[in-house]
Amino acid sequence: GAVVSQHPSRVICKSGTSVKIECRSLDFQATTMFWYRQFPKQSLMLMATSNEGSKATYEQGVEKDKFLINHASLTLSTLTVTSAHPEDSSFYICSAPERVDTQYFGPGTRLTVL
Amino acid sequence: GQQLNQSPQSMFIQEGEDVSMNCTSSSIFNTWLWYKQEPGEGPVLLIALYKAGELTSNGRLTAQFGITRKDSFLNISASIPSDVGIYFCAGRPRSGSARQLTFGSGTQLTVLP
Repeated sequence: GAVVSQHPSRVICKSGTSVKIECRSLDFQATTMFWYRQFPKQSLMLMATSNEGSKATYEQGVEKDKFLINHASLTLSTLTVTSAHPEDSSFYICSAPERVDTQYFGPGTRLTVL
Repeated sequence: GQQLNQSPQSMFIQEGEDVSMNCTSSSIFNTWLWYKQEPGEGPVLLIALYKAGELTSNGRLTAQFGITRKDSFLNISASIPSDVGIYFCAGRPRSGSARQLTFGSGTQLTVLP
């Protein structure tokens, strides 16, 4: 199947700092990518849709100024958690559709804010 | 938004047993996908279904797209310890975005030796 990578896999930061997470589609181009957040023992919660060449679309309740998304190219989307606080600690996962109805996920990024 | 009811929530089975889990929806879906997620990892696509009635296998895994287009099941035969993980169903509603998926709540599978 198609390959999606994420970097970093783990990050620990101090409260108030910003953290950038990269999502790359390695063997296909993706005009759209998705960012999810997952709490322990729960399903994936869609945060936003990243669109190459245009603004991201955020789900209700997700602060766009808090979670900045940039779809820099057809293979790269970045999520920046600005002024991170402990409540932002979570597992963040991106996905990209290799075809219309099939999404492939990255390995996830574990964010811990101290 | 759309809701997917996935059951069971968790399963404890003996190694070698068969496993069955399913997802249902109140509305019609055009696509059903089954993923497995292991701790600390992203979900990995197991099987994708695109047509009503479609039955697809991937090794010991078999999944079907229900005829009504409102349900799907995943079967795992002769379970082994490495089958442990959380299994998610996902689907694209007929009325939804072309690329956005709706996820079930997951089935936590534990295989006892």
